[in-house]
Amino acid sequence: NAGVTQTPKFQVLKTGQSMTLQCAQDMNHNSMYWYRQDPGMGLRLIYYSASEGTTDKGEVPNGYNVSRLNKREFSLRLESAAPSQTSVYFCAGGENTEAFFGQGTRLTVV
Amino acid sequence: QKEVEQDPGPLSVPEGAIVSLNCTYSNSAFQYFMWYRQYSRKGPELLMYTYSSGNKEDGRFTAQVDKSSKYISLFIRDSQPSDSATYLCAILNAGGTSYGKLTFGQGTILTVHP
Repeated sequence: NAGVTQTPKFQVLKTGQSMTLQCAQDMNHNSMYWYRQDPGMGLRLIYYSASEGTTDKGEVPNGYNVSRLNKREFSLRLESAAPSQTSVYFCAGGENTEAFFGQGTRLTVV
Repeated sequence: QKEVEQDPGPLSVPEGAIVSLNCTYSNSAFQYFMWYRQYSRKGPELLMYTYSSGNKEDGRFTAQVDKSSKYISLFIRDSQPSDSATYLCAILNAGGTSYGKLTFGQGTILTVHP
């Protein structure tokens, strides 16, 4: 039982490159989330999916797209990476009272 | 205006002190109120949750919610060096058009020194 698994753990991109961050959960949770965490900014919600087949914007969706592929998987795509997207990205899965987080992806855009 | 506001600190206290962490929120539709703890280079983990005004106690931790003033607090009694971490308040929207939206505050960095 791995919980929430994110891949990759580390990534360096050049400005303008694209990439997809993968997230999978094995806890059968309906809701999944993508956050970014920057120093002094807490966790800022990028996108969330309250159930399979739905996605909604959070606080900071610009420059990102998401896909809720099925109940287990929720991917985050950067179409054209910018230095401002350098951050630690966390995926989470949850139900009502608790969200479980992955280990994070440290992304650097140069 | 951010939906959840939290004083980022940092907060430094001696071992044994009582710690008070606070957040305010703006949306009355919020239903679940949570506190997460995050150690360095790790993902956040749930510490406590509540859904009603009043106090909820778990060992040395007490979560307090005042819905009338949209204010939530976490109190840590007899703080220990192992409590040193970032504490994040979070609010889950359990109804309406933003159902399932989980919003976090900025987090407060706490250091408890021996």
